[in-house]
Amino acid sequence: NAGVTQTPKFRILKIGQSMTLQCTQDMNHNYMYWYRQDPGMGLKLIYYSVGAGITDKGEVPNGYNVSRSTTEDFPLRLELAAPSQTSVYFCASSYGTGGYYTFGSGTRLTVV
Amino acid sequence: DAKTTQPPSMDCAEGRAANLPCNHSTISGNEYVYWYRQIHSQGPQYIIHGLKNNETNEMASLIITEDRKSSTLILPHATLRDTAVYYCNWGKLQFGAGTQVVVTP
Repeated sequence: NAGVTQTPKFRILKIGQSMTLQCTQDMNHNYMYWYRQDPGMGLKLIYYSVGAGITDKGEVPNGYNVSRSTTEDFPLRLELAAPSQTSVYFCASSYGTGGYYTFGSGTRLTVV
Repeated sequence: DAKTTQPPSMDCAEGRAANLPCNHSTISGNEYVYWYRQIHSQGPQYIIHGLKNNETNEMASLIITEDRKSSTLILPHATLRDTAVYYCNWGKLQFGAGTQVVVTP
C-alpha cells in the first residue's frame, strides 16, 4: 500500500512550456485533490474530484487543467507555464466526505 | 467557506505539553474537525479528528468545546520532532495558514 504517489519530485520549466504532474493512489479513495503551496504560505486548492469523470474548480484553478478517467489517477496539467506557478504541488485523497486526507510527498516546480 | 483561525506561531519547551487552539465558529453540526501537521516541506500528515467528543490517539489528544466552535490539539510531551506547522480543518477542501510550532531544547 503505497498511499498517494506523486511524480516527478522536482521539475524546472521554462516560461510557456507545458507539463503534467502525475498523482496516483492505491487506497480506492473516491475523492482526490490538488493543492499548491507557495513559500511560507498555506495550502490553496486548485481542483478536486469526487469520483471518476467528475472534477470541479477550487480557489486557484486558472492556468491548470485536470482529468479523472480512473479512480486511481488524477493528473494536473499546466499548459503555458508562468513564473507565478512556481510552487510546491500536493495531491491528496480521501474516502468520501468523512475520511481524512492522505497527502503525497509533493512536486517542487520552478518556472524560469 | 470553511474558515478556521489559528495563532500564527507558538513556542514550546521540549517535554512540556503543547496546546494548539483553533477557532471554527462557523462549523456545521455534522462536520468533523481534522488536524494535520506538516514537517518542513513534506506533505501534511493526518493527526486526529473528532466530532463532539474528546479524542485521543498515539500522537495527540483533541478537545472540542461543547458548542463545537473551537478545539485544542494537545501534544502531551513535545519533542524536537514535533516542530512543524499544524493545521486544523473542517469541511475539507480549504486549509488555513496553520500554526508554526517550534519545540526548543
